[in-house]
Parts: sequence; C-alpha cells; structure tokens
Amino acid sequence: DVKVTQSSRYLVKRTGEKVFLECVQDMDHENMFWYRQDPGLGLRLIYFSYDVKMKEKGDIPEGYSVSREKKERFSLILESASTNQTSMYLCATSKGHSNQPQHFGDGTRLSIL
Amino acid sequence: SQQGEEDPQALSIQEGENATMNCSYKTSINNLQWYRQNSGRGLVHLILIRSNEREKHSGRLRVTLDTSKKSSSLLITASRAADTASYFCAPNSGYSTLTFGKGTMLLVSP
Repeated sequence: DVKVTQSSRYLVKRTGEKVFLECVQDMDHENMFWYRQDPGLGLRLIYFSYDVKMKEKGDIPEGYSVSREKKERFSLILESASTNQTSMYLCATSKGHSNQPQHFGDGTRLSIL
Repeated sequence: SQQGEEDPQALSIQEGENATMNCSYKTSINNLQWYRQNSGRGLVHLILIRSNEREKHSGRLRVTLDTSKKSSSLLITASRAADTASYFCAPNSGYSTLTFGKGTMLLVSP
C-alpha cells in the first residue's frame, strides 16, 4: 500500500512566520500534489510536481511556494503566513500515468494566529 | 481538469439502507474516480471506472457511468455507520491533476 506521510497533524503558527509543511511518500510516485480544504469551498489545488525539481501552479498558488529536491519529498512553504491561510492541507501522490488514482496523506490542520 | 458536481449535498439514512450519490460533469472523460473522506482525514480512493465501462463493483460499492448523460452514480448497499463520510467524484479527462467538487456528506445512523 502507498503510504503518504504528512509531518504534522496539527500545527499552530503566528502571522508573518515562514511555515513549512512536509510530505513524504514511499512508493516512488512521480506526481505529488498540495491541496487546501475549506468548508464550503471543497479541495483546491495549490501546487503540484510531476518530477524532481519540477513544479506547476495549481488554482490558488498565491502566498505559497513548493520544493521538490528528492522524489519522495514535497514541501509546501508559506512564505509569510496570514490568517486566511488557516486551513486543512492535504498532500497526495500518483503514478506518472495520467489515469492513475491519487493517494492522500491524513492532512495537516494549520492554524495561523 | 474538470470538476464533477455531486448530488445530493447531504444524505441521511439508517443502517442497512442503500445510499445513492450522483455525479455530473461537462466534457468527455478518460475515467471517473470516486473517493471517500472520513471526518478530519485525507481522501481515500474507492473505485475508478473507465469511459468504456458502464458498471463496476467493489464489495458493497457499485458505480455506474453513463457517458451520454455525462453522469455517474455510486451506490453503497447495506450501509453501515462506518460508511459515514463525505464522498467525492473526480472526472479525469486525461490529466494528472484532478478537480474535486464539494462532495456528498453521508450520515448513516445506527
């Protein structure tokens, strides 16, 4: 089974801080994704990566950046956290073929105070 | 990628009853995927149905696909309290990315 591990289940940070969310997968999947999920808005794609050092903007990349230095690890960075980035963040992976299902981590519930 | 729209938004049933959720989409697809999300957790992939398939089963799950109507349905038979979750469809037009709708929230009462 694919295992997708997000570094924290719950995280509390202050406005203006630089925040790192980490995601690690153990199945050699090429694609990795970061979503945020908010009540009434569903899941929205922030960034994704289809290979090491490659990244593509999703639907809502503003205020975020990502890093993929190794195939198994995909980091989401909040450059200067703001209260409107309080959300549930979900990481997912999939194999390179476009028809493959996505495998999700358990999420990080981030609160920015 | 295109977004699916799930219907109804919420569904409340008793244990042992069947639950049916529907998904509509707008353009042609390669496949359509269904996911479940338990409260406070990540999404779990349930089933993938290809555009040339009309029906697919997995345990108590039955998925149908009607490409002429651009719709799919997920049937959960003999529901259990543990089936309480949100269910999402994701129509895939051949991209690696998926766009998820707001889901159907299913509540199964004992």
